Amino acid sequence: EVQLVESGGVVVQPGGSLRLSCAASGFTFDDYTMHWVRQAPGKGLEWVSLISWDGGSTYYADSVKGRFTISRDNSKNSLYLQMNSLRTEDTALYYCAKVYVLRYFDWSLDDWGQGTLVTVSS
Amino acid sequence: SSELTQDPAVSVALGQTVRITCQGDSLRSYYASWYQQKPGQAPVLVIYGKNNRPSGIPDRFSGSSSGNTASLTITGAQAEDEADYYCNSRDSSGNPHVVFGGGTKLTVL
Repeated sequence: EVQLVESGGVVVQPGGSLRLSCAASGFTFDDYTMHWVRQAPGKGLEWVSLISWDGGSTYYADSVKGRFTISRDNSKNSLYLQMNSLRTEDTALYYCAKVYVLRYFDWSLDDWGQGTLVTVSS
Repeated sequence: SSELTQDPAVSVALGQTVRITCQGDSLRSYYASWYQQKPGQAPVLVIYGKNNRPSGIPDRFSGSSSGNTASLTITGAQAEDEADYYCNSRDSSGNPHVVFGGGTKLTVL
């Protein structure tokens, strides 16, 4: 059974930094592109970033580019999101998600974690 | 970057058929995937590719596409189908960015 467990969400002041983690199990982690998707309270889903199966390629939404960094450690089956220069509009539930097709820049996200809440507030 | 547009809300009578649409230029090149999200829960993939359902998704869910519009059809809607539905696709910019629609709140009457 695929499991994705996010952690690291806390309350942080504007301008602060935070590192989210996602622990993966139940599948061959280094075969799959992984995504971060966020959802502000009461709002829709917003794509944040993706990283290729080998970590060699990363992409970001314009709203976070230059402030967030996605990474992975395939030896630890873990995905990360380093968040710097946080803004109030970054307040959201952050989900990690696995793609359906292995070794492909897929956008069909077939497994999601339960999310970790990041609140940016003074 | 591309955008995907969905109607904010749709309603359907119990047992009837409902179509939820998603419009965007990227859909001329890439299929939409569809997600169901119930309150307090993570999204669940219900349709991917041309018209594929992951294991465990009822066959009353189906997908289709024409031009710049993708559709999710629920044939014989059930009370448990009441949820928010989101489409997503790959951005048409040339990079593998992803874009989500704004979501459709489905009410089953």
